Amino acid sequence: DIVMTQSPDSLAVSLGERATINCKSSQSVLYSSNNKNYLAWYQQRPGQPPKLLIFWASTRESGVPDRFTGSGSGTDFSLTISSLQAEDVAFYYCQQYYTTPLTFGGGTKVEIK
Amino acid sequence: EVQLLESGGGLIQPGESLRLSCAASGFTFSSYVMNWVRQAPGKGLEWVSGISSSGAGAFYRDSVKGRFTISRDNSKNMLYLQMNSLRADDTAVYYCAKDRAWEVLPHFLDYWGQGILVTVSS
Repeated sequence: DIVMTQSPDSLAVSLGERATINCKSSQSVLYSSNNKNYLAWYQQRPGQPPKLLIFWASTRESGVPDRFTGSGSGTDFSLTISSLQAEDVAFYYCQQYYTTPLTFGGGTKVEIK
Repeated sequence: EVQLLESGGGLIQPGESLRLSCAASGFTFSSYVMNWVRQAPGKGLEWVSGISSSGAGAFYRDSVKGRFTISRDNSKNMLYLQMNSLRADDTAVYYCAKDRAWEVLPHFLDYWGQGILVTVSS
């Protein structure tokens, strides 16, 4: 199984400041035949199901604010929130879909400082 | 509007069986891969199983292989998860999740139900 490791486990950021979450896969999730990274990001607010934010490592889902940016390739990825808003308080998970079983990172809790 | 509504959860004793159902609406159900994802209390997300759009291909995590069976009825827009020989570590909220993929293999999950709690305890 591909192991997804997120860091940090939690971070507290002031409103309007930048938050960056890292995700590392135990093997590359870059598929050479199409040059796509099989990596997605989700947001889970308290008491809610997860919500898709980013897929193919950097493609923003429709309706997701442009302050959310995904980057990286191969085994190292990041999700950046450029200007943290109160509604961004949540857990964030990365997920690989290069192979089954689909696997998620352990999650990062984002709070307001 | 895409809607996914899980049902069938509850309190069950170890070793017993339970079937979860997911009623889908608002999209062409028969065209998409579907998945079950679970979340133990206070823990992260764990993919359980996925099924191809036709139902011909099914995929499982190792810890549920041989105990859980995923299926779908495209005529009724329904997804199922038959869970046998349940264990305490199967206790979780189970989410039905629509895949963006219309092929065989699970990809990323663009719509999720609200989840249903399954508690395995004596």
